[in-house]
Amino acid sequence: DGGITQSPKYLFRKEGQNVTLSCEQNLNHDAMYWYRQDPGQGLRLIYYSQIVNDFQKGDIAEGYSVSREKKESFPLTVTSAQKNPTAFYLCASSIRRGLGGELFFGEGSRLTVL
Amino acid sequence: GQQLNQSPQSMFIQEGEDVSMNCTSSSIFNTWLWYKQDPGEGPVLLIALYKAGELTSNGRLTAQFGITRKDSFLNISASIPSDVGIYFCAGSYPDDYKLSFGAGTTVTVRA
Repeated sequence: DGGITQSPKYLFRKEGQNVTLSCEQNLNHDAMYWYRQDPGQGLRLIYYSQIVNDFQKGDIAEGYSVSREKKESFPLTVTSAQKNPTAFYLCASSIRRGLGGELFFGEGSRLTVL
Repeated sequence: GQQLNQSPQSMFIQEGEDVSMNCTSSSIFNTWLWYKQDPGEGPVLLIALYKAGELTSNGRLTAQFGITRKDSFLNISASIPSDVGIYFCAGSYPDDYKLSFGAGTTVTVRA
């Protein structure tokens, strides 16, 4: 079945450690996105990529990094510079490269900093 | 991206009731989307709207793209227990690649 796979589903990290969240899609979508979700808030865009080897900062990119070496993969690294990293992270993809195409989401990764 | 104003923030439903929620933006959108999220899962797309005035249904769900292009509403008719969850509106501005999301409406079953 086609879809978006995020891993791990749950992750615990000590302060000062970097952690990488995986996102893989087999939908052949061009664009991929990372969102952060905090309780009672909407989804906030961290990074997005419209094409392989290219990505742009979203609204809250500080303390995060990404890469897009393959069309199907868009990993997110939460660095030690991110001051409040505990959150639910959602990866998404869309078939269109522009003009607000419909997003399809993975099941999310919950990161907890101890 | 700009946060949308979504209301109500939360609501309680009784089985069989019709419920309604809406979103407004200070700027015009060219796309409105409605998503539902179950606990611990990713949002799932319910309805997509691409034209001002458009009214679209998906089963018991109906959504409309406001004529001013600054608002949208979602109606759920004859609600059932599995309608509980968080509903998000999302929109994109002309010539923008990104979606902006509302803060969500949490729907809970009334005891």
